[in-house]
This record gives sequence, structure tokens and C-alpha cells, in this order.
Amino acid sequence: EAQVTQNPRYLITVTGKKLTVTCSQNMNHEYMSWYRQDPGLGLRQIYYSMNVEVTDKGDVPEGYKVSRKEKRNFPLILESPSPNQTSLYFCASSWEGQGGYEQYFGPGTRLTVT
Amino acid sequence: GENVEQHPSTLSVQEGDSAVIKCTYSDSASNYFPWYKQELGKRPQLIIDIRSNVGEKKDQRIAVTLNKTAKHFSLHITETQPEDSAVYFCAAHNQAGTALIFGKGTTLSVSS
Repeated sequence: EAQVTQNPRYLITVTGKKLTVTCSQNMNHEYMSWYRQDPGLGLRQIYYSMNVEVTDKGDVPEGYKVSRKEKRNFPLILESPSPNQTSLYFCASSWEGQGGYEQYFGPGTRLTVT
Repeated sequence: GENVEQHPSTLSVQEGDSAVIKCTYSDSASNYFPWYKQELGKRPQLIIDIRSNVGEKKDQRIAVTLNKTAKHFSLHITETQPEDSAVYFCAAHNQAGTALIFGKGTTLSVSS
């Protein structure tokens, strides 16, 4: 089954404790992206990757890191989480960035930082 | 960069009525405009999309129209049903192909 998976689905952590949210897709998509969703603000892009070893900042990259060592995986790293990073996070993938293709979203990770 | 405005933020209709959600975009080079539906507690899912070389697209009860000159596009849902209740997001693809820029969403409530 074609899908995007994320882990964990729920996470409660404390300020400053490094964490990683994993994202994996099995559709051989070149493009992957991370979004955060906050009430009233919609979906905002954090980082994206056009292909392996090619990543760049989105609209709200502060406090986040990513890597793309393999085509299928695109982990999101919070080196020192803060309460303002409490949010719902979605990973998404598509065939490529240019041209416009359907983005497939993962199930979401609800993160709470206390 | 691209900016997408979406209205209204909330919309309540009676079952069987039509619903219209409107979006405007700022980047005249944008060429791809998808609409996503997000049910409560679920992930966003594509329901319809339109490219800049087309003015209208229809899929059963949903349709999207695009006015490139005015830089706005709209989602039309006819004969609404309670299962249409969800948050709907419009988006515009930037010219560089690096991002979908989303509107802030419209919460549609269909009452029976």
C-alpha cells in the first residue's frame, strides 16, 4: 500500500530535550516536505527536500533541522525543543516539486513541549 | 513570495445547499492550485486540483474555477452532505516548485 508514515504519532517532552520525528514514504517520491499546523494559521512549511542530499528552508525553519540521506526517509530534528514548537506536524511527499503534483500526507505527529 | 488568502474561515450550510470557498493568490507565476480536505483528526487529502491552463474542473459534486487575471480560484460543493463537514484548504504552487503555499483553511459544517 502506497503511504507516508510518521513516528511517533504523539509525543510529550520537556524543553531542551532533543527529539526526532521520522518520516518514510514507499512511493519513490523525489520531493518531501515538513509542515506544522496550528489553529488559525493553516499549514506552514518548515523544510523541504527536492531529492537525496538536497534540502532547503521553508517559511518557518527556526529551531528545526532535517536530513535526506535516503530517498524514502526525511526525519525532522528538534535539537532543543521549546514550548512554541508545540504543534501538529505533517510530513508529505510527491513525485517532484516542480510542475505541481499531489502531495501525500502522513498521519501527523502531535507534539507537546512543556 | 507567494501568499494565499482564503475566505470564509467558517461556513455553515444546510444539507443539500451549495458551499463556495474562495481563495486569492499573489504570485502570477503560480500554475497549480490544489484543494485539500481534512476531516477531524485526520491528514489532509487532495480532493481536486486545477492547473493554470484550465478555467474550470468538475468531479461529481465538487468543482473548482480559476480566474488567472484576477488571481483567484474557488471551490464549489453542490448538494452538500453531513460527511462534507471538514476543514478545506486551498493552496498555490510557487513557480520554483519548492512549495505549496496553503490558505488558513475553511471549516465547513453541514447540518442535516
